[in-house]
Amino acid sequence: AQSVTQLDSQVPVFEEAPVELRCNYSSSVSVYLFWYVQYPNQGLQLLLKYLSGSTLVKGINGFEAEFNKSQTSFHLRKPSVHISDTAEYFCAVSSNTNAGKSTFGDGTTLTVKP
Amino acid sequence: DAGVIQSPRHEVTEMGQEVTLRCKPISGHNSLFWYRQTMMRGLELLIYFNNNVPIDDSGMPEDRFSAKMPNASFSTLKIQPSEPRDSAVYFCASSPSTGIYTEAFFGQGTRLTVV
Repeated sequence: AQSVTQLDSQVPVFEEAPVELRCNYSSSVSVYLFWYVQYPNQGLQLLLKYLSGSTLVKGINGFEAEFNKSQTSFHLRKPSVHISDTAEYFCAVSSNTNAGKSTFGDGTTLTVKP
Repeated sequence: DAGVIQSPRHEVTEMGQEVTLRCKPISGHNSLFWYRQTMMRGLELLIYFNNNVPIDDSGMPEDRFSAKMPNASFSTLKIQPSEPRDSAVYFCASSPSTGIYTEAFFGQGTRLTVV
């Protein structure tokens, strides 16, 4: 079985400040990790994914995430946020045993204030 | 590519009525997922198809819900009879393969309100 925990349900931050959205996962096998973003009244879209190789993954819109196997974490970071980054962010995990399904976290609402 | 297309975008119906949600996946994708999103329960996977065959429907809440995929370019999610607690945003997503390392591409969703 696998699970995802997003440690913060809401993260308020001022514009141009750095941000970190935290994600921990649980799995007994090798995992593949994803971050998605959902803007209001939209579907989810992929920000970045970790499959293998370098543990630092760069995605769209200046976001990056670091896979830490020992801490079973995949935290999302951005050095300087913009108002347009206000959205809900979902961490997801899939594995060899789950036949293509991803398990999603509960989401973190990022609110960027001017 | 137009992406995953869902219809309708909004649906308001009375309790007890039948509701049908529609999805056209991205051409060439052979995995299709139906999700439900609510404030209380977050994003829940309802059912997953691969090559038009239902692989896992363990997330379907009850017998009132049914899903079909008659061909590679079309899927429906039906609720009969609908209840107010079915009010949610329903997402369809598709994926290019059965590979566990491939991300899902989501449609815009259908916002269902049952009154």
